[in-house]
Amino acid sequence: KQEVTQIPAALSVPEGENLVLNCSFTDSAIYNLQWFRQDPGKGLTSLLLIQSSQREQTSGRLNASLDKSSGRSTLYIAASQPGDSATYLCAVTHNQGGKLIFGQGTELSVKP
Amino acid sequence: DARVTQTPRHKVTEMGQEVTMRCQPILGHNTVFWYRQTMMQGLELLAYFRNRAPLDDSGMPKDRFSAEMPDATLATLKIQPSEPRDSAVYFCASGLVIAGGTGNTIYFGEGSWLTVV
Repeated sequence: KQEVTQIPAALSVPEGENLVLNCSFTDSAIYNLQWFRQDPGKGLTSLLLIQSSQREQTSGRLNASLDKSSGRSTLYIAASQPGDSATYLCAVTHNQGGKLIFGQGTELSVKP
Repeated sequence: DARVTQTPRHKVTEMGQEVTMRCQPILGHNTVFWYRQTMMQGLELLAYFRNRAPLDDSGMPKDRFSAEMPDATLATLKIQPSEPRDSAVYFCASGLVIAGGTGNTIYFGEGSWLTVV
């Protein structure tokens, strides 16, 4: 059974700092991995999707990497801003269009 | 701006009452998911549909929960009878899956916040 773990559970950093969020999964036979952002009281917004054949994806200040063989992904946020404060979740799927299996999330707080 | 729409946004109900949550997926999407989010368990899949046919409802307590897609523009999740342990946020999500395609971003609604007292 696939298990997805995110460390740390919570993170507080000063504005401007570069930071890394971690995601690990126990079954490396994934189809893809997605990073989501969730603001309080809101739904999830997809940030980046990495196919199993890819090593990384970038969008603006965000960079996600994937090492399928070791069962790890990282989300790198450059020059963090208070507006980045949210919970970040990673999720994996095992087939195209299949169910997402989520980690518990990392709650990020960026202090001005 | 295409979005997944869920109703109601908030619901407080008494134990034993029936609760129906509705979801309008993004037009043209062929895959619909129902997830439940709690502090203790995080996000758990309840059921999902492809082209209106149920693909997996193994995460759903069958004795009290039911999920349907009466048509391509409406998905419903029903709880009867409701219990306090059902208190959670219920999310609907949709996506477009194309055979041979290379990826499927999933779009979430803003959730239905259910409290059963």
